[in-house]
Amino acid sequence: QSVLTQPPSVSAAPGQKVTISCSGSTSNIGNNFVSWYQQLPGTAPKLLIYENNKRPSGIPDRFSGSKSGTSATLGITGLQTGDEADYYCGTWDSSLSAGVFGGGTKLTVL
Amino acid sequence: QLQLQESGPGLVKPSETLSLTCTVSGGSISSSGYYWGWVRQPPGKGLEWFGSIHYRGNTYNNPSLKSRVTVSVDTSKNQFSLKLSSVTAADTAVYYCARGAVRNDAFDIWGQGTMVTVSS
Repeated sequence: QSVLTQPPSVSAAPGQKVTISCSGSTSNIGNNFVSWYQQLPGTAPKLLIYENNKRPSGIPDRFSGSKSGTSATLGITGLQTGDEADYYCGTWDSSLSAGVFGGGTKLTVL
Repeated sequence: QLQLQESGPGLVKPSETLSLTCTVSGGSISSSGYYWGWVRQPPGKGLEWFGSIHYRGNTYNNPSLKSRVTVSVDTSKNQFSLKLSSVTAADTAVYYCARGAVRNDAFDIWGQGTMVTVSS
């Protein structure tokens, strides 16, 4: 059981938009930065979003992040088949004094 | 460009200690703005935050793993290591090392991962 809650799967057609939610509590999302990671099959995770809504160099602006209270959201517009992957949210949990991840969301581009 | 590379045995017997090392190349492990972490992923499952260490020695471990985990750093070798004692089949996973930012806890650079199987 993950500390952060994500939907197991989402799907949308190419070119469309999708959002992935990440729900937590005041000890984690509510008072710490949220990051998002993309994990393509058979590869290591890759940082997509940091500090709730910032993109590392090289990440296209089709990817966006937001945070409100104890929840965060990853948005992906202009979906491409290459976006099919597992997406994870992550943050620090001040009560646990440890990092935490969501359970992951599998994105299918139909 | 900074890179991370995990190394260690791919097979560990139950009840023994799993030991992995992550070598940092292309940059220094002694950077105050970053810490060094371990994340694992059991087959077909999600990511699990394992433990982290700053080069000054501050460590944090996943409380669910209790006292089984030890994370250490060797600045002279630009390496950090993980030891997990009393392993069981449940510890079978891909183990990733990664660089975390002190400011925002984002893991911005990852190793390729190494598969460790616990089996007799």
